[in-house]
Amino acid sequence: SQTIHQWPATLVQPVGSPLSLECTVEGTSNPNLYWYRQAAGRGLQLLFYSIGIGQISSEVPQNLSASRPQDRQFILSSKKLLLSDSGFYLCAWSRDGRTAGYTFGSGTRLTVV
Amino acid sequence: GEDVEQSLFLSVREGDSSVINCTYTDSSSTYLYWYKQEPGAGLQLLTYIFSNMDMKQDQRLTVLLNKKDKHLSLRIADTQTGDSAIYFCAEFISGGYNKLIFGAGTRLAVHP
Repeated sequence: SQTIHQWPATLVQPVGSPLSLECTVEGTSNPNLYWYRQAAGRGLQLLFYSIGIGQISSEVPQNLSASRPQDRQFILSSKKLLLSDSGFYLCAWSRDGRTAGYTFGSGTRLTVV
Repeated sequence: GEDVEQSLFLSVREGDSSVINCTYTDSSSTYLYWYKQEPGAGLQLLTYIFSNMDMKQDQRLTVLLNKKDKHLSLRIADTQTGDSAIYFCAEFISGGYNKLIFGAGTRLAVHP
C-alpha cells in the first residue's frame, strides 16, 4: 500500500535561517506531488506541484522553493525564513487526482521566531 | 478563475444533522471533494462526487451538488462529538497540471 511520510512534525526556526522540509512517498511510482501551506485560521494554499523529477511548478511567488531530486522525494526549502513563513505545511501525492483525490502527509508545524 | 468559498464556523448539537456548504467558480470542475482535518493532523478524504451526479450518499454522509449554481454541500446525519473537525471543500482543476483547489475550511463544533 502507498504511504506518505513528512518530517519533521514540528519545527521552530529563527528569522533568516534556512529551511528544508522533506516528503517521501512509498509504494507507488511517478506520483504527482504537492506542497500546501495552511496559515493559522486560514485554508489551504497550494505552493508547488510536481509531475516528475525536476519538474516543479510554483503557484505563488514567495520566499520558498521546491525540488524533486528523486521520483518519490519532494523537498520544500528556503534560504532565509520570514516570520510570515510560519504555518502548517502539508505534502500530498496523487495519481491523477480524480477519484482518489490527494493523500496527505501528517504535516509540519513551522514556527518562525 | 479558481476559487472555493465556505463558511468558517458551524456549531451543532450532538445527534442533530450538520450541513456544510461550499461554492466554487470553475464550471469545468469534474470532481468535487470533501476532506476532514482533525486538530494537528493532515487531511483525510471523506468523499467525492463526480460532476454528472447530483447526490451521493455514504453512510452518515450525503453530498449534494447543484452544478447550475456551483454549490456543494455535505450533510452529516446524527452528528457526534468525534465529527468535530475542520471540513474542506475542494474542486479538481484539470489542465496542464491537475490540481485541487481548497476552500478555507469550515470548523464544525459539536456540543452536547
